Amino acid sequence: TQLLEQSPQFLSIQEGENLTVYCNSSSVFSSLQWYRQEPGEGPVLLVTVVTGGEVKKLKRLTFQFGDARKDSSLHITAAQPGDTGLYLCAGARGTGFQKLVFGTGTRLLVSP
Amino acid sequence: GAVVSQHPSWVICKSGTSVKIECRSLDFQATTMFWYRQFPKQSLMLMATSNEGSKATYEQGVEKDKFLINHASLTLSTLTVTSAHPEDSSFYICSARTRDRPAPSYEQYFGPGTRLTVT
Repeated sequence: TQLLEQSPQFLSIQEGENLTVYCNSSSVFSSLQWYRQEPGEGPVLLVTVVTGGEVKKLKRLTFQFGDARKDSSLHITAAQPGDTGLYLCAGARGTGFQKLVFGTGTRLLVSP
Repeated sequence: GAVVSQHPSWVICKSGTSVKIECRSLDFQATTMFWYRQFPKQSLMLMATSNEGSKATYEQGVEKDKFLINHASLTLSTLTVTSAHPEDSSFYICSARTRDRPAPSYEQYFGPGTRLTVT
């Protein structure tokens, strides 16, 4: 059972466009992370959000954690070809050293 | 900091043989390591969690006798795929967590992955 559903599954856009990726669940998470993965490589951590309603910005990327800590979004402004990759959200539940539950993934392709 | 390496990066083996994949934390002590499996164009599926010096905890549906995990030190965990078959072909990724990062920060640092092809 996939606890974290991401949408859209695939997104193909032109350079300069804006986009939003959603990560939704019916479960509450103590923290949520976003990763980007390129083909043949491991995921690279982009951000961790832990507080309901929290907003974090990383250059052109804006991450938001839902008030109820059940969902999150990633917004990219003026996308660039270098943003191309598989974006994964991952949630941790409870306290202590908990395992992550990964989302279904969103594959982004930004064309020049 | 927080670099995780995997070896080999890719391996081809014949059906029925065993393959060992190493996961190392290069600049930190990994109290917990995780092994994931990823099929093409899909997300990561957790296979097992291992804590240094103790037996691994396997996820439901993962055969512990087929996927042997050893976490003998704070910087090394190994995954051995025993009697490999073509359906075991996949991208295997490890990650590591350190107790040095304060809770509730639960970031995992991922290795570059190992592509296994069983012929």
